[in-house]
Amino acid sequence: GAGVSQSPSNKVTEKGKDVELRCDPISGHTALYWYRQSLGQGLEFLIYFQGNSAPDKSGLPSDRFSAERTGGSVSTLTIQRTQQEDSAVYLCASSLNSGGASGELFFGEGSRLTVL
Amino acid sequence: GENVEQHPSTLSVQEGDSAVIKCTYSDSASNYFPWYKQELGKGPQLIIDIRSNVGEKKDQRIAVTLNKTAKHFSLHITETQPEDSAVYFCAAGFQKLVFGTGTRLLVSP
Repeated sequence: GAGVSQSPSNKVTEKGKDVELRCDPISGHTALYWYRQSLGQGLEFLIYFQGNSAPDKSGLPSDRFSAERTGGSVSTLTIQRTQQEDSAVYLCASSLNSGGASGELFFGEGSRLTVL
Repeated sequence: GENVEQHPSTLSVQEGDSAVIKCTYSDSASNYFPWYKQELGKGPQLIIDIRSNVGEKKDQRIAVTLNKTAKHFSLHITETQPEDSAVYFCAAGFQKLVFGTGTRLLVSP
């Protein structure tokens, strides 16, 4: 596709359920990032992939959060046993540069998660 | 790790005025400083960036300045227009980007 695609765009779930958020980056982009944006807040770094490996997963809030990337392309962010404080917009971005944060990040439109 | 602070959190200007947003960062290893614009319901989009070997960069009505000694950088928008209204984020980093908390800019006609 022309840009970063995220799905679902909106997800409402009950507390305690697991959710999976998907990110399809721009073809050829080797770096992929997940950020979280709570209402009216900035972008909180979660995890960064270079290819299929994650050199930096320091931003994952707890062990309920995990992410993987396969084939150097699609990435899935999984939140287990969701809590109300997990409600936020989860943004994915990809970058052509392989050297880390040295180039433009292209963001998707985000997945809005609401935990009831 | 890196910590980025951004001010002000909101900024209201009249059309045609200038707007300035300031950021400070903590990690001297950071070498890339982009600015992103986020419109309602959309993902952030890069508007201008600067690298650590440059002190200033300009693109039409937008300019960014960087002071590595003081660890601060600023976004300057001249001749503001209503379509400049959005949330602006600064960021700093090397291996990953750390973002500021954002500035909501409102340009009134």
